[in-house]
Amino acid sequence: GAGVSQSPRYKVAKRGQDVALRCDPISGHVSLFWYQQALGQGPEFLTYFQNEAQLDKSGLPSDRFFAERPEGSVSTLKIQRTQQEDSAVYLCASSLPSGSHNEQFFGPGTRLTVL
Amino acid sequence: EDKVVQSPLSLVVHEGDTVTLNCSYEVTNFRSLLWYKQEKKAPTFLFMLTSSGIEKKSGRLSSILDKKELFSILNITATQTGDSAVYLCAVGQAGTALIFGKGTTLSVSS
Repeated sequence: GAGVSQSPRYKVAKRGQDVALRCDPISGHVSLFWYQQALGQGPEFLTYFQNEAQLDKSGLPSDRFFAERPEGSVSTLKIQRTQQEDSAVYLCASSLPSGSHNEQFFGPGTRLTVL
Repeated sequence: EDKVVQSPLSLVVHEGDTVTLNCSYEVTNFRSLLWYKQEKKAPTFLFMLTSSGIEKKSGRLSSILDKKELFSILNITATQTGDSAVYLCAVGQAGTALIFGKGTTLSVSS
């Protein structure tokens, strides 16, 4: 079946612009995660959804970052008033609940460059 | 503070060599340890380990977990140029996201 998809794959924004990044998880996966990966670093957790409920947003670096998953499937990560330090690859992952909860499957990521 | 530390950070080997990648962790509420391979795209899942001392194997790759000493190793035998990638170690806690290490960059030369 189809894996996790993300769009756009690449986004260039001018400092101060708002951006929206989309994630389509694997069908049937109720858990959805967003990670930020800076160059040369491992992915760092941003936020987590179980179905439509955002259960953990402790990793969001500022109130400029906002994520939603209104119908429990597609999710959007929005960054307002982008700054240069927001430049990174944004990865989305999904997983089945409970027993295999931690086996997360990743999308290809969106590479955001803020000029 | 929860942390996952990988070593070495980078490694250059010749085709046919065997490599061992290390991952140590200090994490509360440990549930599992996962290895991913990342080329210039999404991390792809390799192994998930939950029990000590049980080796998981897939072709030339194998991994084992030691929950007493809080580490895991990933072995790759008879390396090929296609093994060149960043190998990420991550630890899963109950009910939350994965905590990743910085990764080991493996370069295999022909």
